[in-house]
Amino acid sequence: DSGVTQTPKHLITATGQRVTLRCSPRSGDLSVYWYQQSLDQGLQFLIQYYNGEERAKGNILERFSAQQFPDLHSELNLSSLELGDSALYFCASSVSGRFETQYFGPGTRLLVL
Amino acid sequence: KNQVEQSPQSLIILEGKNCTLQCNYTVSPFSNLRWYKQDTGRGPVSLTIMTFSENTKSNGRYTATLDADTKQSSLHITASQLSDSASYICVVSAPSGGGADGLTFGKGTHLIIQP
Repeated sequence: DSGVTQTPKHLITATGQRVTLRCSPRSGDLSVYWYQQSLDQGLQFLIQYYNGEERAKGNILERFSAQQFPDLHSELNLSSLELGDSALYFCASSVSGRFETQYFGPGTRLLVL
Repeated sequence: KNQVEQSPQSLIILEGKNCTLQCNYTVSPFSNLRWYKQDTGRGPVSLTIMTFSENTKSNGRYTATLDADTKQSSLHITASQLSDSASYICVVSAPSGGGADGLTFGKGTHLIIQP
């Protein structure tokens, strides 16, 4: 158990819908990262937050957004969902920056029908 | 463009045998390199992290080597066990800034250990 929790574990929804994925980092970790992993792709970095502020942006679509709250939990919002958004979404956390080991959560499996 | 290439894409070996996974990268300048193990449907778990000045690092039966001159790393697994069946991901970090946009991920090697 990495100490990072993600909810829900599974999500099935329809195209055009909007969903919210939630992540609670390890106690004491200030950085939260979001990743997408499709069947035929490796891990794709989406976005990083550090202590409530956006720190880095990766290949995140405009339909996706995220935020980190004062209690350091984070939410990833996916809107106008398309079939191709079906994937595993991982949250990871670290004490501060990317030079440290990131601890990954169990992931949320999203299926868009 | 920074790239991380892993080989082989997949590998099947018998339980008890050794194996070596390769990671070649073009990230420059370079800060550190990590190997992660990812069981199917689970989040990746860090195995080793090496800076440019380190040549080798071990974690139990896992030994990672790094040649920063040739931009190559390998992960050697000794006396493989069924629980080693997983994907192994190489991640290279550039030194500038502190954001995760400086990370480049390989697509992973899928390892299957057969009894």
